[in-house]
Amino acid sequence: NAGVTQTPKFQVLKTGQSMTLQCAQDMNHNSMYWYRQDPGMGLRLIYYSASEGTTDKGEVPNGYNVSRLNKREFSLRLESAAPSQTSVYFCASSPNTRIFQETQYFGPGTRLLVL
Amino acid sequence: GNSVTQMEGPVTLSEEAFLTINCTYTATGYPSLFWYVQYPGEGLQLLLKATKADDKGSNKGFEATYRKETTSFHLEKGSVQVSDSAVYFCALSNNAGGTSYGKLTFGQGTILTVHP
Repeated sequence: NAGVTQTPKFQVLKTGQSMTLQCAQDMNHNSMYWYRQDPGMGLRLIYYSASEGTTDKGEVPNGYNVSRLNKREFSLRLESAAPSQTSVYFCASSPNTRIFQETQYFGPGTRLLVL
Repeated sequence: GNSVTQMEGPVTLSEEAFLTINCTYTATGYPSLFWYVQYPGEGLQLLLKATKADDKGSNKGFEATYRKETTSFHLEKGSVQVSDSAVYFCALSNNAGGTSYGKLTFGQGTILTVHP
């Protein structure tokens, strides 16, 4: 049972390049989330997927797109990377987002540097 | 809207010292409150949580009490160890109005370093 996995662990991009961050969970969770972590700002929600087939914007969605490929996988795409998107990206999952007291389970993160 | 404010860091302590990390929140309704911990090079993991007023969450010697009257959820540990060195995040989840869908609002994080 691997929990939440993310690939890649680290990536360097040039401004304007595109890339997709992959996330998968093996806990049969309904809900998945993408956060970015910046110094002094905690984690901020980019997008989330309450259940398979649905996605919604979070606090900072501009410049990103997501795909909930199936129940296990939730990917985050940067179409045209900008230096402001340099950050650490975390994927998380929880059993059922409508039960808001639930714990979220986090992946190990992807460190992205945009030059 | 929801917000979480944590004490400024970093916090540096000697082993066996007492730890307090302050956390206050703003939210409508009755949020659930969480402390997450991030060890170096790892993702976040839940440390403890409390889902209603006056509840005390506890784990690994850490405690925090949900105080609705002061809108606070301060983290405490009586005797810290070097292995407690990490970043600590206070967070809340709120279903006020039925639209929050379990999204977490995080504080900015507090870096704790414990020296032998």
